[in-house]
Amino acid sequence: DTTVKQNPRYKLARVGKPVNLICSQTMNHDTMYWYQKKPNQAPKLLLFYYDKILNREADTFEKFQSSRPNNSFCSLYIGSAGLEYSAMYLCASSRRGGARDTQYFGPGTRLLVL
Amino acid sequence: GQQVKQSSPSLTVQEGGISILNCDYENDMFDYFAWYKKYPDNSPTLLISVRSNVDKREDGRLTVFLNKSGKHFSLHITASQPEDTAVYLCAAGNTGYQNFYFGKGTSLTVIP
Repeated sequence: DTTVKQNPRYKLARVGKPVNLICSQTMNHDTMYWYQKKPNQAPKLLLFYYDKILNREADTFEKFQSSRPNNSFCSLYIGSAGLEYSAMYLCASSRRGGARDTQYFGPGTRLLVL
Repeated sequence: GQQVKQSSPSLTVQEGGISILNCDYENDMFDYFAWYKKYPDNSPTLLISVRSNVDKREDGRLTVFLNKSGKHFSLHITASQPEDTAVYLCAAGNTGYQNFYFGKGTSLTVIP
Protein backbone atom coordinates (compact mmCIF):
# COMPACT_ATOMS: atom_id res chain seq x y z
CA ASP A 1 0.00 0.00 0.00
CA THR A 2 1.72 3.16 -1.23
CA THR A 3 -1.00 5.55 -0.20
CA VAL A 4 -0.71 8.45 2.15
CA LYS A 5 -3.94 9.23 3.95
CA GLN A 6 -5.08 12.58 5.26
CA ASN A 7 -7.93 13.45 7.59
CA PRO A 8 -10.12 15.32 7.31
CA ARG A 9 -10.36 16.04 3.58
CA TYR A 10 -12.18 19.31 4.27
CA LYS A 11 -12.02 21.46 7.37
CA LEU A 12 -13.91 24.58 8.28
CA ALA A 13 -12.45 26.58 11.15
CA ARG A 14 -13.20 29.85 12.91
CA VAL A 15 -10.64 32.59 13.25
CA GLY A 16 -8.71 32.19 16.47
CA LYS A 17 -9.57 28.52 16.91
CA PRO A 18 -7.08 25.66 16.77
CA VAL A 19 -6.83 23.28 13.83
CA ASN A 20 -5.33 19.80 13.83
CA LEU A 21 -4.71 17.91 10.60
CA ILE A 22 -3.73 14.25 10.48
CA CYS A 23 -1.58 12.30 8.04
CA SER A 24 -0.74 8.62 8.00
CA GLN A 25 1.26 6.16 5.92
CA THR A 26 1.99 2.47 6.33
CA MET A 27 5.10 2.31 4.16
CA ASN A 28 7.45 2.65 7.13
CA HIS A 29 8.87 5.82 5.64
CA ASP A 30 11.43 7.76 7.65
CA THR A 31 10.39 11.22 6.53
CA MET A 32 7.02 12.94 6.52
CA TYR A 33 6.40 16.42 5.15
CA TRP A 34 3.71 19.07 5.33
CA TYR A 35 3.18 21.56 2.49
CA GLN A 36 0.80 24.48 2.17
CA LYS A 37 -0.69 25.12 -1.27
CA LYS A 38 -2.63 28.26 -2.14
CA PRO A 39 -4.22 28.95 -5.53
CA ASN A 40 -1.73 30.11 -8.16
CA GLN A 41 1.17 29.55 -5.79
CA ALA A 42 3.77 26.82 -5.53
CA PRO A 43 3.44 24.29 -2.73
CA LYS A 44 5.38 25.65 0.23
CA LEU A 45 7.21 23.35 2.58
CA LEU A 46 6.16 24.07 6.16
CA LEU A 47 8.02 21.41 8.09
CA PHE A 48 9.15 17.82 7.99
CA TYR A 49 9.98 15.01 10.36
CA TYR A 50 12.99 12.86 9.75
CA ASP A 51 12.36 9.97 12.12
CA LYS A 52 11.68 11.79 15.39
CA ILE A 53 13.47 15.00 14.46
CA LEU A 54 11.27 17.93 13.51
CA ASN A 55 12.57 20.49 11.04
CA ARG A 56 10.60 23.66 10.55
CA GLU A 57 11.14 26.24 7.84
CA ALA A 58 12.34 29.56 9.23
CA ASP A 59 9.49 31.71 7.98
CA THR A 60 6.76 29.41 9.26
CA PHE A 61 8.46 28.45 12.48
CA GLU A 62 6.01 30.11 14.83
CA LYS A 63 2.85 29.45 12.87
CA PHE A 64 2.79 25.68 12.67
CA GLN A 65 3.56 22.85 15.02
CA SER A 66 3.67 19.15 14.47
CA SER A 67 3.92 15.87 16.26
CA ARG A 68 4.85 12.38 15.20
CA PRO A 69 3.83 9.93 17.90
CA ASN A 70 4.96 6.98 15.82
CA ASN A 71 6.40 6.24 12.40
CA SER A 72 3.00 6.11 10.71
CA PHE A 73 1.34 9.30 11.91
CA CYS A 74 2.15 12.96 11.64
CA SER A 75 -0.05 15.88 12.59
CA LEU A 76 -0.03 19.55 11.65
CA TYR A 77 -1.27 21.89 14.35
CA ILE A 78 -2.32 25.50 14.06
CA GLY A 79 -2.81 27.05 17.48
CA SER A 80 -4.91 30.00 16.41
CA ALA A 81 -6.13 30.01 12.84
CA GLY A 82 -6.14 33.22 10.87
CA LEU A 83 -7.79 33.94 7.54
CA GLU A 84 -4.42 33.59 5.82
CA TYR A 85 -4.27 29.92 6.80
CA SER A 86 -7.00 29.04 4.32
CA ALA A 87 -5.27 26.73 1.86
CA MET A 88 -4.78 23.15 0.77
CA TYR A 89 -2.45 21.26 3.10
CA LEU A 90 -0.55 18.40 1.52
CA CYS A 91 1.19 15.69 3.45
CA ALA A 92 3.92 13.60 1.84
CA SER A 93 6.30 10.86 2.91
CA SER A 94 9.53 9.45 1.57
CA ARG A 95 11.50 6.33 2.42
CA ARG A 96 14.57 8.04 3.78
CA GLY A 97 14.39 11.69 2.84
CA GLY A 98 16.72 13.72 0.71
CA ALA A 99 15.99 15.19 -2.68
CA ARG A 100 16.39 11.91 -4.59
CA ASP A 101 13.77 10.00 -2.69
CA THR A 102 10.33 9.88 -4.21
CA GLN A 103 7.79 11.75 -2.17
CA TYR A 104 4.37 10.15 -2.00
CA PHE A 105 1.63 12.70 -1.51
CA GLY A 106 -1.69 12.42 0.23
CA PRO A 107 -4.90 13.81 -1.29
CA GLY A 108 -4.71 16.97 0.81
CA THR A 109 -6.88 18.67 3.37
CA ARG A 110 -8.67 21.79 2.22
CA LEU A 111 -8.85 24.24 5.12
CA LEU A 112 -11.17 27.21 5.08
CA VAL A 113 -10.90 29.71 7.91
CA LEU A 114 -13.83 32.06 8.44
CA GLY B 1 12.77 34.78 -3.97
CA GLN B 2 11.28 31.90 -5.79
CA GLN B 3 13.77 29.10 -6.21
CA VAL B 4 11.95 27.32 -9.02
CA LYS B 5 9.95 29.11 -11.68
CA GLN B 6 7.52 27.99 -14.34
CA SER B 7 7.01 31.02 -16.52
CA SER B 8 4.06 29.68 -18.49
CA PRO B 9 0.91 29.28 -16.41
CA SER B 10 -0.87 27.49 -19.24
CA LEU B 11 -0.24 25.65 -22.48
CA THR B 12 -2.62 24.30 -25.13
CA VAL B 13 -1.52 21.60 -27.57
CA GLN B 14 -3.29 19.73 -30.33
CA GLU B 15 -3.71 15.99 -29.86
CA GLY B 16 -0.74 14.18 -31.35
CA GLY B 17 1.57 17.16 -30.94
CA ILE B 18 4.53 17.67 -28.62
CA SER B 19 3.93 19.39 -25.30
CA ILE B 20 6.96 21.24 -23.96
CA LEU B 21 6.91 22.38 -20.36
CA ASN B 22 9.71 24.56 -19.02
CA CYS B 23 11.23 25.17 -15.62
CA ASP B 24 14.01 27.48 -14.41
CA TYR B 25 15.81 27.27 -11.10
CA GLU B 26 17.99 29.64 -9.09
CA ASN B 27 20.35 27.49 -7.06
CA ASP B 28 23.19 25.96 -9.06
CA MET B 29 23.75 23.51 -6.22
CA PHE B 30 20.52 21.71 -7.10
CA ASP B 31 21.28 18.25 -8.41
CA TYR B 32 17.89 16.58 -8.58
CA PHE B 33 15.00 17.58 -10.80
CA ALA B 34 11.51 16.20 -11.07
CA TRP B 35 8.18 16.64 -12.80
CA TYR B 36 4.86 15.94 -11.08
CA LYS B 37 1.40 15.64 -12.59
CA LYS B 38 -1.61 16.90 -10.72
CA TYR B 39 -5.20 16.28 -11.72
CA PRO B 40 -7.88 18.62 -10.29
CA ASP B 41 -8.52 17.83 -6.62
CA ASN B 42 -5.79 15.22 -6.56
CA SER B 43 -2.36 15.27 -5.04
CA PRO B 44 0.77 15.53 -7.20
CA THR B 45 2.12 12.28 -8.63
CA LEU B 46 5.77 11.88 -9.58
CA LEU B 47 6.12 11.46 -13.34
CA ILE B 48 9.82 11.45 -14.00
CA SER B 49 13.00 12.64 -12.31
CA VAL B 50 16.61 13.15 -13.31
CA ARG B 51 19.89 13.65 -11.53
CA SER B 52 22.40 16.30 -12.52
CA ASN B 53 24.90 13.79 -13.92
CA VAL B 54 22.75 13.31 -17.03
CA ASP B 55 21.39 15.79 -19.55
CA LYS B 56 18.43 13.74 -20.69
CA ARG B 57 16.16 10.97 -19.54
CA GLU B 58 13.46 9.24 -21.51
CA ASP B 59 10.53 7.21 -20.24
CA GLY B 60 7.97 6.29 -22.85
CA ARG B 61 6.44 9.47 -24.23
CA LEU B 62 8.20 11.58 -21.59
CA THR B 63 11.65 13.11 -21.92
CA VAL B 64 13.35 15.40 -19.43
CA PHE B 65 16.10 17.67 -20.75
CA LEU B 66 18.48 19.29 -18.27
CA ASN B 67 20.57 22.35 -19.10
CA LYS B 68 22.76 22.89 -16.06
CA SER B 69 24.62 25.91 -17.38
CA GLY B 70 21.33 27.62 -18.12
CA LYS B 71 19.71 26.40 -14.89
CA HIS B 72 16.80 25.13 -16.89
CA PHE B 73 15.01 21.84 -17.38
CA SER B 74 12.07 20.86 -19.48
CA LEU B 75 9.55 18.07 -19.95
CA HIS B 76 8.64 16.97 -23.46
CA ILE B 77 5.51 14.89 -23.96
CA THR B 78 5.32 13.40 -27.44
CA ALA B 79 2.10 12.26 -29.09
CA SER B 80 0.11 14.31 -26.59
CA GLN B 81 -3.29 12.90 -25.67
CA PRO B 82 -6.38 14.45 -24.06
CA GLU B 83 -5.69 12.42 -20.92
CA ASP B 84 -2.40 14.32 -20.56
CA THR B 85 -4.51 17.35 -19.66
CA ALA B 86 -3.48 18.32 -16.12
CA VAL B 87 -1.33 20.71 -14.12
CA TYR B 88 2.36 19.87 -14.26
CA LEU B 89 4.61 20.91 -11.38
CA CYS B 90 8.37 20.99 -11.64
CA ALA B 91 10.53 20.61 -8.55
CA ALA B 92 14.24 20.80 -7.80
CA GLY B 93 16.45 20.18 -4.81
CA ASN B 94 19.87 19.33 -3.49
CA THR B 95 20.91 15.81 -2.59
CA GLY B 96 21.33 15.51 1.13
CA TYR B 97 18.70 18.10 1.93
CA GLN B 98 15.25 16.95 2.81
CA ASN B 99 13.15 19.34 0.79
CA PHE B 100 12.29 20.27 -2.72
CA TYR B 101 11.29 23.56 -4.13
CA PHE B 102 8.25 23.48 -6.38
CA GLY B 103 7.21 25.68 -9.28
CA LYS B 104 3.71 27.14 -9.44
CA GLY B 105 2.64 24.75 -12.16
CA THR B 106 1.71 24.87 -15.83
CA SER B 107 -1.80 23.88 -16.85
CA LEU B 108 -1.61 21.74 -19.99
CA THR B 109 -4.68 21.27 -22.15
CA VAL B 110 -4.57 18.79 -25.01
CA ILE B 111 -7.41 19.34 -27.44
CA PRO B 112 -8.71 16.51 -29.65
